[in-house]
Amino acid sequence: DGGITQSPKYLFRKEGQNVTLSCEQNLNHDAMYWYRQDPGQGLRLIYYSQIVNDFQKGDIAEGYSVSREKKESFPLTVTSAQKNPTAFYLCASRTGFGSPLHFGNGTRLTVT
Amino acid sequence: AQSVTQLDSQVPVFEEAPVELRCNYSSSVSVYLFWYVQYPNQGLQLLLKYLSGSTLVKGINGFEAEFNKSQTSFHLRKPSVHISDTAEYFCAVSYNQGGKLIFGQGTELSVKP
Repeated sequence: DGGITQSPKYLFRKEGQNVTLSCEQNLNHDAMYWYRQDPGQGLRLIYYSQIVNDFQKGDIAEGYSVSREKKESFPLTVTSAQKNPTAFYLCASRTGFGSPLHFGNGTRLTVT
Repeated sequence: AQSVTQLDSQVPVFEEAPVELRCNYSSSVSVYLFWYVQYPNQGLQLLLKYLSGSTLVKGINGFEAEFNKSQTSFHLRKPSVHISDTAEYFCAVSYNQGGKLIFGQGTELSVKP
């Protein structure tokens, strides 16, 4: 079945370490997105990419980086510059204009 | 600024009762509207969408929503809820065909026996 795979489901890191969250899709979607979810704050857009080798900052990009070397993959790196990295991270994709987002099951990152 | 407001952060309701989850968006000429559901520790699943056409949209699990342009609203309704409908519900808006999706802050629906 087609879908979006995020791994791992739970991730623990020490403060000051960079960490990369994986997102892979086999839906053949052009556009991919990373959201951060915190209790009571809904979803906030970190980065998005509408085509391979191109990506744009979302509303809260500081402290994060991404790459889009392949259509299927859109990894997110949470750097040590991100002040409050502990959160639930969701990856999504869609075919194009006006289409709904398809979501992965998320990665819960805890930084201590 | 473009925004989406979900008017209730929590909605408790008894099983088999009707429910309405409210969503308002800032005005725009052209909008695309979505409702998503999220179960604990999972991603979001699409419930229904409005792109154009009939203002009453039917979705999965017996949910429906009505697009009201004059009131800039897209409220979600279900005539009779089940325990399994307990989840968080998100309204989302795209303000043009290629635009980002802007999400509301979510409404936690709690269905009690």
